[in-house]
Amino acid sequence: DADVTQTPRNRITKTGKRIMLECSQTKGHDRMYWYRQDPGLGLRLIYYSFDVKDINKGEISDGYSVSRQAQAKFSLSLESAIPNQTALYFCATTGQDNTGELFFGEGSRLTVL
Amino acid sequence: EDQVTQSPEALRLQEGESSSLNCSYTVSGLRGLFWYRQDPGKGPEFLFTLYSAGEEKEKERLKATLTKKESFLHITAPKPEDSATYLCAVQGSSNYKLTFGKGTLLTVNP
Repeated sequence: DADVTQTPRNRITKTGKRIMLECSQTKGHDRMYWYRQDPGLGLRLIYYSFDVKDINKGEISDGYSVSRQAQAKFSLSLESAIPNQTALYFCATTGQDNTGELFFGEGSRLTVL
Repeated sequence: EDQVTQSPEALRLQEGESSSLNCSYTVSGLRGLFWYRQDPGKGPEFLFTLYSAGEEKEKERLKATLTKKESFLHITAPKPEDSATYLCAVQGSSNYKLTFGKGTLLTVNP
């Protein structure tokens, strides 16, 4: 089983719809992250969480929200999806000792029509 | 603001043809420089961490080196299975955020 599981893996939706991307991890780590990857732009940080009660905005948080339901679960929501949110989304986790060594999920490809 | 620039954007090699990928960076207080490998349709996979200038790390056909301004990922006698996008990232004094480069797409032809 994968250490970091993302659902759904692929989703096509329409402008204005609410979308939730879910992430769960079995590494037992406290820190979890949501990244977005676009061709030509690389990976950009949307939100990060150091524990259940600590959630922080990343560099591109506008239009997104998150929920840390438990140590192992971190969800990303798009309240009203727009076409420029079409991208590949990655969840990642790491421990406190090696915060640059991220374990990534396999990604959720979102298309907003 | 931390910045990472990777070059070239794409590199094609013949099997056995050694080469290097470059990662130039600017960061306030380097805590670490990281190399990742990403296969198509997959999430990035961690390869190496480098902490200070002069440090080197090796794994199979890959060797990563670090200076105060850049890092190199040397690939010796590559095989087709080394084909992937290689990402470089830096972590500055903030202790939470990685700044990623856009990656180098490596293709190794048999």
